[in-house]
Amino acid sequence: EDKVVQSPLSLVVHEGDTVTLNCSYEVTNFRSLLWYKQEKKAPTFLFMLTSSGIEKKSGRLSSILDKKELFSILNITATQTGDSAIYLCAVVKETSGSRLTFGEGTQLTVNP
Amino acid sequence: DAGITQSPRHKVTETGTPVTLRCHQTENHRYMYWYRQDPGHGLRLIHYSYGVKDTDKGEVSDGYSVSRSKTEDFLLTLESATSSQTSVYFCAISEMRTGDGYTFGSGTRLTVV
Repeated sequence: EDKVVQSPLSLVVHEGDTVTLNCSYEVTNFRSLLWYKQEKKAPTFLFMLTSSGIEKKSGRLSSILDKKELFSILNITATQTGDSAIYLCAVVKETSGSRLTFGEGTQLTVNP
Repeated sequence: DAGITQSPRHKVTETGTPVTLRCHQTENHRYMYWYRQDPGHGLRLIHYSYGVKDTDKGEVSDGYSVSRSKTEDFLLTLESATSSQTSVYFCAISEMRTGDGYTFGSGTRLTVV
């Protein structure tokens, strides 16, 4: 059975801290891994990773994939209260078309 | 996102009644999906569609049916609602077969009492 596991499930930090969110996966025929940010409503796309070792960056957020050890991390530096959200990891399989299998999510709270 | 709308936004219904949720897109995307989101489970796929009249089951399809008679509309029906179907339902659209480019609707909060 395919599994996507995120850790920690929740995290509380202070503004300015750096956080690392983890996503491990066990799926057959892996194609890509995606990160989403979910505030009050719909998840919004952050990154898609398909190759090992290539960092994707967007402002204070960055992510990298390790296909040998089957995990990805999402880093957020100099956190702000606006970073408070649920961060979702999802994987796509070669054999599943465009269907996503999600992890449980990490609830990040950034306090002033 | 303006390209995808879900209706209703909130609904309370009684056990045993049929319920239909609507997803409407203006992007002309080929793929449409229904997910449910529950604490401790993340988002789980209920049904998806890869074209008009072409649909298939996801991982939690029992108790749900779907229809797609037009490119822009994807309907999710709970034939006889149960309390276990209390959840937040998200529709999503995608043009790419690779999994990126998903756009999610704002969700429908359904409560079955």
